[in-house]
Amino acid sequence: KAGVTQTPRYLIKTRGQQVTLSCSPISGHRSVSWYQQTPGQGLQFLFEYFSETQRNKGNFPGRFSGRQFSNSRSEMNVSTLELGDSALYLCASSLGKGGLNTEAFFGQGTRLTVV
Amino acid sequence: DAKTTQPTSMDCAEGRAANLPCNHSTISGNEYVYWYRQIHSQGPQYIIHGLKNNETNEMASLIITEDRKSSTLILPHATLRDTAVYYCIVRVPPHLISSGSARQLTFGSGTQLTVLP
Repeated sequence: KAGVTQTPRYLIKTRGQQVTLSCSPISGHRSVSWYQQTPGQGLQFLFEYFSETQRNKGNFPGRFSGRQFSNSRSEMNVSTLELGDSALYLCASSLGKGGLNTEAFFGQGTRLTVV
Repeated sequence: DAKTTQPTSMDCAEGRAANLPCNHSTISGNEYVYWYRQIHSQGPQYIIHGLKNNETNEMASLIITEDRKSSTLILPHATLRDTAVYYCIVRVPPHLISSGSARQLTFGSGTQLTVLP
């Protein structure tokens, strides 16, 4: 079955702009989590969505937001981009509720560069 | 989630076993040990997890000490494609977390494993 798909793979934006990243989870998975990875801070949790509801949120400013649609696809948005937002943004999907096979499967990520 | 300590880097000869240690001395009774790896510029990949018994799958073996304060991930026959950063994470597994609680993965710095030809 298809894995986690993130689009676009690469993106270049200018400071002050906003950006929307997309994630399509594995079919049947209802939980989508987003992570930011930078050389200085490593992998950091942004937020998690399940059944169109944000279930958990990491320690990021309000410029970072997300949503999940009824088909479990998720988007994250970053407004008023700063140079420090340059990072690899990773999406992970999991079944999300119950069962033992609840491991997270990651996409290839979106490499965002802010100039 | 309990904190883990891993060596920053390790080398291993191709074809030999790679043994990656992880210390988690503050692990609590309901926390499992998970291993992920991240090959350069790709998303992290789940490898294996366990509670207290040794575990083996097609990718690796996980050896957890009896007191559960440390563990070792073993790649039995390392290949060049196993070069990656390996993350050891201890956490309560998602299926044991009640709704509304934190389910995220907390990644440390990991171990950069380099498999040498």
